[in-house]
Amino acid sequence: DAGITQSPRHKVTETGTPVTLRCHQTENHRYMYWYRQDPGHGLRLIHYSYGVKDTDKGEVSDGYSVSRSKTEDFLLTLESATSSQTSVYFCAISEGNVGGYTFGSGTRLTVV
Amino acid sequence: DAKTTQPNSMESNEEEPVHLPCNHSTISGTDYIHWYRQLPSQGPEYVIHGLTSNVNNRMASLAIAEDRKSSTLILHRATLRDAAVYYCILREIRSARQLTFGSGTQLTVLP
Repeated sequence: DAGITQSPRHKVTETGTPVTLRCHQTENHRYMYWYRQDPGHGLRLIHYSYGVKDTDKGEVSDGYSVSRSKTEDFLLTLESATSSQTSVYFCAISEGNVGGYTFGSGTRLTVV
Repeated sequence: DAKTTQPNSMESNEEEPVHLPCNHSTISGTDYIHWYRQLPSQGPEYVIHGLTSNVNNRMASLAIAEDRKSSTLILHRATLRDAAVYYCILREIRSARQLTFGSGTQLTVLP
């Protein structure tokens, strides 16, 4: 999607290893979000950010941490990956509290 | 968070209008009504949002009930590319809180 890029697009990793997913935006939007999507659960929020170094937990934050040192980058880290974290991860951005979100194309993560 | 209720699935014929309903009886005065759709193997895509008045854009129209307890997304002429899961979501204006996605409506468009 224009203005938002996720990397990598696909990743396979082993249980117990750390993994970092990157979300990069060129829109200078204040808000950034990480969601995961699993069959039967829909989209669930992991963490979100409302400014540089300002982050908060979502509904499924256990096992994940985030960092936002620059407006354009929001990193999601799995400290020690587990098989239950196999999922598709989506990043989203929003300019303010009213308008729509723009989602990235997703990262498919497989933990073996 | 205020919740929304949508039918699990709907079918429509190609080139006919589609009305996707959403109930949100516990909506508060500061909740915006958002609609997103998700095509297979893609991220969700913003469709439209509104507060009280009906809204139109190039993708769809949003009809909001006078009491705001329900809304309808209208696709004026469905195409096969409109087959997707459609999510109706409430977004609270006063905070940075996230959109909470429900299970949505799976729209099937028949040729």
